[in-house]
Amino acid sequence: QQPVQSPQAVILREGEDAVINCSSSKALYSVHWYRQKHGEAPVFLMILLKGGEQKGHDKISASFNEKKQQSSLYLTASQLSYSGTYFCGTEIGGGTGKLIFGQGTTLQVKP
Amino acid sequence: EPEVTQTPSHQVTQMGQEVILRCVPISNHLYFYWYRQILGQKVEFLVSFYNNEISEKSEIFDDQFSVERPDGSNFTLKIRSTKLEDSAMYFCASSELNGGYSYEQYFGPGTRLTVT
Repeated sequence: QQPVQSPQAVILREGEDAVINCSSSKALYSVHWYRQKHGEAPVFLMILLKGGEQKGHDKISASFNEKKQQSSLYLTASQLSYSGTYFCGTEIGGGTGKLIFGQGTTLQVKP
Repeated sequence: EPEVTQTPSHQVTQMGQEVILRCVPISNHLYFYWYRQILGQKVEFLVSFYNNEISEKSEIFDDQFSVERPDGSNFTLKIRSTKLEDSAMYFCASSELNGGYSYEQYFGPGTRLTVT
């Protein structure tokens, strides 16, 4: 039931792009993306609802492919502040709020 | 900007003792959640709460756990008899009215529980 994230870890130079994937074996109602820095709480990035939408703000965007039960997070022109662990939280039941998180993808942006 | 607050930030307790973790959700939010994160691992759902009732709970949330909204602002998680494996960071989160739609959940800073 736990979604699978890939890759497990990414190292980038400032300005480079990255894609983080989140795949589920279950039909998804929504996908929530969070970023967590070491020792801090997860910070909400965006939510995608079933229907295959794409969202974005600033240089971070995401897509949700309902047929494939997969979501991808796109980080473009990465900045040092993007470093952290990215988690996808998947919701299976309709609007239950119960999020099942993936194991996380650690992103390190170097100068 | 409104935020979820949690107290204490760190709690050390002996095995077998009861602990109560406290949270103040964002004021206009009506759905509340507890998650936990064992050091270095993923975030795990424990329970969701709405209208003074548990909406969903995970297998982790057994009879040793309980939640309560004792007044109009606080939301608590009680662990009756703590075990070593309960050591983790516990996050409270809240969201606007759910009602069949998904809303973003805002996490508090967490309470680090250490059971010795």
